[in-house]
Amino acid sequence: NAGVTQTPKFRVLKTGQSMTLLCAQDMNHEYMYWYRQDPGMGLRLIHYSVGEGTTAKGEVPDGYNVSRLKKQNFLLGLESAAPSQTSVYFCASSYGLAAQETQYFGPGTRLLVL
Amino acid sequence: SQQGEEDPQALSIQEGENATMNCSYKTSINNLQWYRQNSGRGLVHLILIRSNEREKHSGRLRVTLDTSKKSSSLLITASRAADTASYFCAPYHTGRRALTFGSGTRLQVQP
Repeated sequence: NAGVTQTPKFRVLKTGQSMTLLCAQDMNHEYMYWYRQDPGMGLRLIHYSVGEGTTAKGEVPDGYNVSRLKKQNFLLGLESAAPSQTSVYFCASSYGLAAQETQYFGPGTRLLVL
Repeated sequence: SQQGEEDPQALSIQEGENATMNCSYKTSINNLQWYRQNSGRGLVHLILIRSNEREKHSGRLRVTLDTSKKSSSLLITASRAADTASYFCAPYHTGRRALTFGSGTRLQVQP
């Protein structure tokens, strides 16, 4: 049981490049989330999904897109990376509504946009 | 803002001492969760306290909730160097679909 895994662990991009971050969970959770964490700050919700085939915007969705084609995977895409997107990205999942359930977090992806 | 605000921002204590962190929020909640984040890692769930509960224990952790003051506290007793981490509270507000997190309290436990 690997829990929540994220790929890649670290990436350097040039401004304007695109990339996809992959999150996978093996706990059969319905809910999945993408957060970003900037230095010395808390986590801010980018997008989330309440089930396969559904996605919704969080607090800071601009510049990101997501897809949930399979229940166990949640992809975060950056179409045209900007330096302001330099951050650590965390994926999380929960069985039910996160507010009433424990969220399980992945180890994070460090992204540097030059 | 729907997120909780942790206080203090940073706390440094000696091993064996108790550490107390506070969380304040602005609107009524259904429950409140506390999470820990070790440096460079993801968050780990510590404890959930519901709005009709006043106190909850888990090992060396004690969480209190005062809904009249819109505040919660996390007490870590007999702290250890391994407790060094950032601690976040996440209050849940009715109608929200996801948790929101503040900036956290950075706890340093000196051996």
